[in-house]
Amino acid sequence: GQSLEQPSEVTAVEGAIVQINCTYQTSGFYGLSWYQQHDGGAPTFLSYNALDGLEETGRFSSFLSRSDSYGYLLLQELQMKDSASYFCAVRDQRNSGGYQKVTFGTGTKLQVIP
Amino acid sequence: DGGITQSPKYLFRKEGQNVTLSCEQNLNHDAMYWYRQDPGQGLRLIYYSQIVNDFQKGDIAEGYSVSREKKESFPLTVTSAQKNPTAFYLCASSRQREAEGTDTQYFGPGTRLTVL
Repeated sequence: GQSLEQPSEVTAVEGAIVQINCTYQTSGFYGLSWYQQHDGGAPTFLSYNALDGLEETGRFSSFLSRSDSYGYLLLQELQMKDSASYFCAVRDQRNSGGYQKVTFGTGTKLQVIP
Repeated sequence: DGGITQSPKYLFRKEGQNVTLSCEQNLNHDAMYWYRQDPGQGLRLIYYSQIVNDFQKGDIAEGYSVSREKKESFPLTVTSAQKNPTAFYLCASSRQREAEGTDTQYFGPGTRLTVL
């Protein structure tokens, strides 16, 4: 079956850099996504990696190593508003029709402190 | 404005009653999804649909039912068979039908269901 592992909580100081890791086990891997969710809100898409390497979007970067079944989200110049939960998610092939679904990790709660 | 809507935001029901949660999108997306989120937990997939009149069970489908009669709509019914229905329910949609490429999921604001 599919499984994703992330740290449950991370605390970091405002202005610092934090890395949130994600390891996965899945069949028919097509890509790793990251989502952000503030308390009580809906998840919003941050980034997607289909190929090995680093993708940069402003203060956020995401890395993927398919050979290691591993990825991470890097948040730079942390701001208080970055306090939220961060989920990694994988796309995988699930049935004979080729239909895919996305499996989410259990999330990492990031607390940014002054 | 294009988007995905869920209603109501908060819902209270008595134990043993069926309840239907609404999800509508005007993004012209083919795929739609229902997730359940419990406090401090990740998102668990209940059902998903890639095209109209077709849907697949997710990881926790027992006690739930769905329909996909229109592209825009994917209602979820929480039946009395669901043993612990109190949770935050999120609906999402995505464009993807092809195998490769980014498949961003767009989420609705969620419905918080409390069964008394």
